[in-house]
Amino acid sequence: QVHLQESGPGLLKPSETLSLTCAVSGYSINSGRYWGWIRQPPGKGLEWLGSIYYVGSTYYHPSLTSRVSISMDTSENHFSLDLRSVTAADTAVYYCARIYWVGLTYYFENWSQGTLVTVSS
Amino acid sequence: SSELTQDPAVSVASGQTVRITCQGDCLYTYSASWYRQKPGQAPILVLYADNNRPSGIPDRISGSRSGDTASLTITGAQAEDEADYHCGSRDISGKHVVFGGGTKLTVL
Repeated sequence: QVHLQESGPGLLKPSETLSLTCAVSGYSINSGRYWGWIRQPPGKGLEWLGSIYYVGSTYYHPSLTSRVSISMDTSENHFSLDLRSVTAADTAVYYCARIYWVGLTYYFENWSQGTLVTVSS
Repeated sequence: SSELTQDPAVSVASGQTVRITCQGDCLYTYSASWYRQKPGQAPILVLYADNNRPSGIPDRISGSRSGDTASLTITGAQAEDEADYHCGSRDISGKHVVFGGGTKLTVL
């Protein structure tokens, strides 16, 4: 059974870089799946941030391409999110997820428990 | 702004049937997925490829898609179905993912 667990700081100051890592157990991340990050501001809906394929190709939310990057470390079986120049608007619960993407079918199959990241001076 | 539109809130009497809808142009092309989220918890997948249930999801939850609208239907709603329901799909370009704003379902 696949399990995903995020780690990273919970409090940042404006202009800093948010860095989160998603450790995957029960599945090898280089076995042919996509992996992604989603966030949810307090009291609001879900927002997709980006996805990475096991060979390294990436897709990012159009409004975040200048600030976001996602990478993988297959030796550690984890993938990571970096979001630069954060503001209070980036305060949210951040989730990582395993993705199923074949043809026209795309969905987030497994989710992490989520971690709250607060941006405040 | 989200490219998928959901009603913010829907209510249903216990034991009755409720339909939650999700509308967007991308649904003419791409399938929808649905996620249930209870307070303080992570979302979980309840429907994928419009009408497929992962293991463990009860068969009182069903889905469909027609034109630009996807629907999640709960037949015989129970108290445990009370949650936020989010739809998701790919955007028109096919390269990005979009979510609806979520629907808060209240079971009366």
